[in-house]
Amino acid sequence: DAKTTQPPSMDCAEGRAANLPCNHSTISGNEYVYWYRQIHSQGPQYIIHGLKNNETNEMASLIITEDRKSSTLILPHATLRDTAVYYCIVPDTGRRALTFGSGTRLQVQP
Amino acid sequence: GAVVSQHPSRVICKSGTSVKIECRSLDFQATTMFWYRQFPKQSLMLMATSNEGSKATYEQGVEKDKFLINHASLTLSTLTVTSAHPEDSSFYICSAETGARGETQYFGPGTRLLVL
Repeated sequence: DAKTTQPPSMDCAEGRAANLPCNHSTISGNEYVYWYRQIHSQGPQYIIHGLKNNETNEMASLIITEDRKSSTLILPHATLRDTAVYYCIVPDTGRRALTFGSGTRLQVQP
Repeated sequence: GAVVSQHPSRVICKSGTSVKIECRSLDFQATTMFWYRQFPKQSLMLMATSNEGSKATYEQGVEKDKFLINHASLTLSTLTVTSAHPEDSSFYICSAETGARGETQYFGPGTRLLVL
């Protein structure tokens, strides 16, 4: 079972920031948080990952709370192409495979 | 990011035939590759983990004799669906990683299999 919980769906206006929350209250100290997204009929696309510190790359920012029990993925200026299912994943300790939950279906509205 | 390819992108076959799907890491060496499948409106489900040069580890409920996995090199893993049946119709996706701690996995574009 996935170790994370995410809202099933969210809407966002084009050009606005999309903030996608994720709860991972059972995360242990050395487990990373990964974010992927899946656009319809494609393989998942890596977005970003982090351990303790906030992270930023050309796609998104990842904000991890100090207690590491939750995180937020931020797409600073959402476009229609960002419409996808977003998965927040914390792999089980000692297990390299990723367990995909239901994710959040983000719909960017024009 | 790193690139993982899959071939073919889609395949239609008759029931009872076998289908081979290739997964390649194009610009890095993958010590471990993973095979997932995804049924319509569902999330990805892990089928097996394969390490280069050793036997694959299958998830509970996945028949190893039906889904043959070969990881003969650090850049290629193959999944063969033997004696395919209509219920095997699905979206098959591979991923690959270098094996370094904290390193991410990169996914292929997927292969859509339709068994008639």
